[in-house]
Amino acid sequence: AQSVSQHNHHVILSEAASLELGCNYSYGGTVNLFWYVQYPGQHLQLLLKYFSGDPLVKGIKGFEAEFIKSKFSFNLRKPSVQWSDTAEYFCAVNARQAGTALIFGKGTTLSVSS
Amino acid sequence: NAGVTQTPKFQVLKTGQSMTLQCAQDMNHNSMYWYRQDPGMGLRLIYYSASEGTTDKGEVPNGYNVSRLNKREFSLRLESAAPSQTSVYFCASSNLADTGELFFGEGSRLTVL
Repeated sequence: AQSVSQHNHHVILSEAASLELGCNYSYGGTVNLFWYVQYPGQHLQLLLKYFSGDPLVKGIKGFEAEFIKSKFSFNLRKPSVQWSDTAEYFCAVNARQAGTALIFGKGTTLSVSS
Repeated sequence: NAGVTQTPKFQVLKTGQSMTLQCAQDMNHNSMYWYRQDPGMGLRLIYYSASEGTTDKGEVPNGYNVSRLNKREFSLRLESAAPSQTSVYFCASSNLADTGELFFGEGSRLTVL
């Protein structure tokens, strides 16, 4: 069975600081990888996704993530956070085969102070 | 462009009462899902339907039933609500044949007293 582990439960940063959120998954086969964001009071929205090709993927709002297959990792990064990035971030994975559901990590709450 | 629509958005139940959460998508997606979100637990899959006519249990199916009414609609039923089912419920859809990316509804906040 697949599982997803997010290392940080709560991250607190000042504006302009750099961000890296860790995500590791366990699954032996080929996977699709996602990062979702949930702003306060809203539903989840896709930040970025990886299916194949360049392991460094760029998403919306200046976020990027790097897939390192040997480490089963898909860490999210942003060079300079803004107050508006305050949200909860979820890493998710599904096996690349029909009928498999997306499995989510427990989430990381990011608080950015201005 | 409605996307995924859930009703109701808020509901308060007493222990033992029943209710159905409705979900509809207008993106012609094959697959639909119900997740629950609890603080510190992330999103946990309750049930999903990979295609019309099929349903499968997820991580936390106990106390719930689902119906894939047609390609558009996927409902979640609580037959006898318990306080442990107090949560925010999200419906989502995807076209697994494509990317597997999920599109979420706005959530339904359920409180069981």
